[in-house]
Amino acid sequence: DTGVSQNPRHKITKRGQNVTFRCDPISEHNRLYWYRQTLGQGPEFLTYFQNEAQLEKSRLLSDRFSAERPKGSFSTLEIQRTEQGDSAMYLCASSLGKNIQYFGAGTRLSVL
Amino acid sequence: QQPVQSPQAVILREGEDAVINCSSSKALYSVHWYRQKHGEAPVFLMILLKGGEQKGHEKISASFNEKKQQSSLYLTASQLSYSGTYFCGTEDNAGNMLTFGGGTRLMVKP
Repeated sequence: DTGVSQNPRHKITKRGQNVTFRCDPISEHNRLYWYRQTLGQGPEFLTYFQNEAQLEKSRLLSDRFSAERPKGSFSTLEIQRTEQGDSAMYLCASSLGKNIQYFGAGTRLSVL
Repeated sequence: QQPVQSPQAVILREGEDAVINCSSSKALYSVHWYRQKHGEAPVFLMILLKGGEQKGHEKISASFNEKKQQSSLYLTASQLSYSGTYFCGTEDNAGNMLTFGGGTRLMVKP
């Protein structure tokens, strides 16, 4: 257990529904990252926060994807109007500054 | 552009050694190595920084050739627990994000 907690672990939804995932980073870590991982591939960077500021969001896959970290602690990733192509593992990682990133176990999304 | 890892897969007997390579077309600031077992989080193994600094587990070794933008992970005297998929993540000079390779699947057999 790395100390990064993600909930839920699994999410099954119907196409067109909105979903939200939560990530709780290691408590003293000021940076939080979101990645997507599809079967047989490495994690793909989506966005990251330093404290509550979202410093990079150009890699979010479409405008249906958004992320927040309102108080600089936990973060949420929302996908609106889900599509079957959104089915993947969504990973969260945290770090103290520009340092080692520790990953959570991820949320597996299945869109039916 | 994602880094290229080789080999894509390798099968070892316990006690054998392996080398996993990671190559990028961009100038790199750092290379990060992770191991992921099926259904689990990627686990940090090693970080290699431009200039020679390294941080990681004592039993894992790696190299970083800054001029060639290449890194290699050395697994010696492999154990069954080494099985999993190994990913390199590269960070270029401009950024704060990791770009991961496609992974190397390692299986260690008794």
